[in-house]
Amino acid sequence: GQNIDQPTEMTATEGAIVQINCTYQTSGFNGLFWYQQHAGEAPTFLSYNVLDGLEEKGRFSSFLSRSKGYSYLLLKELQMKDSASYLCAVRASDRGSTLGRLYFGRGTQLTVWP
Amino acid sequence: DAGVTQSPTHLIKTRGQHVTLRCSPISGHKSVSWYQQVLGQGPQFIFQYYEKEERGRGNFPDRFSARQFPNYSSELNVNALLLGDSALYLCASSHHHPEAFFGQGTRLTVV
Repeated sequence: GQNIDQPTEMTATEGAIVQINCTYQTSGFNGLFWYQQHAGEAPTFLSYNVLDGLEEKGRFSSFLSRSKGYSYLLLKELQMKDSASYLCAVRASDRGSTLGRLYFGRGTQLTVWP
Repeated sequence: DAGVTQSPTHLIKTRGQHVTLRCSPISGHKSVSWYQQVLGQGPQFIFQYYEKEERGRGNFPDRFSARQFPNYSSELNVNALLLGDSALYLCASSHHHPEAFFGQGTRLTVV
C-alpha cells in the first residue's frame, strides 16, 4: 500500500521561511508532487520531483530523497496569501498501467500571520 | 485556453439517490482521473481513464462508476448515495506531462 505522512498544521509569520516535510512509503514510485489548495478551491500544482535533489521555482523549492522516502517544500518570503493547505502527493505506477495515480497526504494547513 | 471544467459546482442530494458529475479536460488531454476529497483530508483516487478505457480504480464500492467519452470528457456516477459520500469531487486531466491539472470540483452534500 501507500503511506504518506505530513504535519497537520504549521504557522509562520510574513517574510519568514517555512519547511513542510513529507515522508512516504510506496511501491512503484514515479514522482513526488506538491500542490497548494486554498479553502474550497481545487489543488494547484507547485512542484514535481522525480530525481533526488532540489528543484527551485521562485519563492518555492522542493527537495526529494528517494532512498529516505522524504521530501520537503520550502517557502521563502512568506506572504499572507500563502496561507493554504499544502498537499504532498506521490505518483505510483500500477501493474499494467504506466500512467500512475496520485496518492495524497492529508495536507498541511499553513497559517501565515502578519 | 480553458482549464479543467466540472459541473455542477454544488449539489445537494438525499440518501439513496443517484448523482452524475461531469468533467471536461483541458483541450488535448486524453487522461482523466477522479478524486474524492473529504473535509480535512487529502484527495483519494477513485478512477483513471485514458483513451476511453479504465486504467485504474481506487478502493471504492461498486456504487461508483465512471466513463470517458470520445471527446475525452468524463462522467462519474454514484448510486444509492450515503451520507458518507458527501465530499468535494475533483477531476484532473493530464497528457504527456507529469503534473495533473485539477478542476474546481463539485461539492456534493448528501442529506
